[in-house]
Amino acid sequence: DAGVTQSPTHLIKTRGQHVTLRCSPISGHKSVSWYQQVLGQGPQFIFQYYEKEERGRGNFPDRFSARQFPNYSSELNVNALLLGDSALYLCASSPDGTATYEQYFGPGTRLTVT
Amino acid sequence: GQNIDQPTEMTATEGAIVQINCTYQTSGFNGLFWYQQHAGEAPTFLSYNVLDGLEEKGRFSSFLSRSKGYSYLLLKELQMKDSASYLCAVMGSNYQLIWGAGTKLIIKP
Repeated sequence: DAGVTQSPTHLIKTRGQHVTLRCSPISGHKSVSWYQQVLGQGPQFIFQYYEKEERGRGNFPDRFSARQFPNYSSELNVNALLLGDSALYLCASSPDGTATYEQYFGPGTRLTVT
Repeated sequence: GQNIDQPTEMTATEGAIVQINCTYQTSGFNGLFWYQQHAGEAPTFLSYNVLDGLEEKGRFSSFLSRSKGYSYLLLKELQMKDSASYLCAVMGSNYQLIWGAGTKLIIKP
């Protein structure tokens, strides 16, 4: 069975540009969460989607947005990129997004903003 | 505010036992997770505690005291492959996972 997949693996962007990151959850999982992980720190929660609805939003500016599609895949969009947005962006899926099940992480997208 | 604290780095010897502590203050509590993360890789699930007490899973055990806002991860019979960062995460009342900064565990032969 395929795990969580993310694309692209690596990305280099310039300040001011925008970026779209993609995530496909494990088959049957309806919840997708996005995290930002800066080197040497734990992941920071950005968004959670369940059944195509936003269930939670972390403390990130409005430049960050996301959506979930009918097939439960998800996109994370970041506008007006800043140097500080350079990080590993992790997507995690679970059956329902509650604590009943652990979250399964994809390999991440490493974003570098220059 | 919400806060999760764990030591930055620990060193242990192959074959020994190590305990990684985690203290937390969060809005609501729906369980505490431990994840392992090797450098450059995604976190992988190790354990979940929602009730007080010890959960044992092979060489790994995790303990929770909700009244003290405290958990620990116990790793026995350490192997070189256990060298990684260990992340403590709490699911709050809004089902968001709040993460600690991670404890880098270095195993020496």
